[in-house]
Amino acid sequence: EVQLVESGGGLVQPGRSLRLSCAASGFTFSSYWMHWVRQAPGKGLVWVSRISSDGSSTNYADSVKGRFTISRDNAKSTLYLQMNSLRAEDTAVYYCARELPHRYWGQGTLVTVSS
Amino acid sequence: EIVLTQSPGTLSLSPGERATLSCRASQSVSSNYLAWFQQRPGQAPRLLIYAASSRATGIPDRFSGSGSGTDFTLTISRLEPEDFAVYYCQQYDTSPPWAFGEGTKVEI
Repeated sequence: EVQLVESGGGLVQPGRSLRLSCAASGFTFSSYWMHWVRQAPGKGLVWVSRISSDGSSTNYADSVKGRFTISRDNAKSTLYLQMNSLRAEDTAVYYCARELPHRYWGQGTLVTVSS
Repeated sequence: EIVLTQSPGTLSLSPGERATLSCRASQSVSSNYLAWFQQRPGQAPRLLIYAASSRATGIPDRFSGSGSGTDFTLTISRLEPEDFAVYYCQQYDTSPPWAFGEGTKVEI
């Protein structure tokens, strides 16, 4: 059974950093491109970032480019999202999802950016 | 960058009725790389339809997708109580960003 489990969310002050993790199981993690998608409270889904199966290629939404870094550790079957210079508008539930189209999603982890 | 516009924003219907949801793209979506997702409150999105008209594994046949180019439709033939949720379309054409539409809420 495919499972994606996010962790690392929480309350953080503006300007600080946070790292999210997504532990994958039930499939060959190193064979799949992976994505992060976020959803602000009461709002719609927003694509955030993508990483290739070997980690050599990454893409970002303009809203997070230069502040967020996606990475992966295929030996640990884990996806990461390093979030720096956090802003109030980054407050959201962050989901990891397997390749397009997103058949598999994690349950999400809530990041709240507030002083 | 492809922008997706969903309509209507909210659809008020009763169980047993037919729901028709629209997703319009700002430019043609190549190879009909268009997906539909259902999201219930407090849950992660669930893939319903991919490649515009293919049902994902385990999705009931009352859900169907159609369309091509810039105009796509999700139809729910007979609404069940569990179908009242928010529905999103997403294009997964060749280049990022792989945008979602704003969503359509199907309510009783």
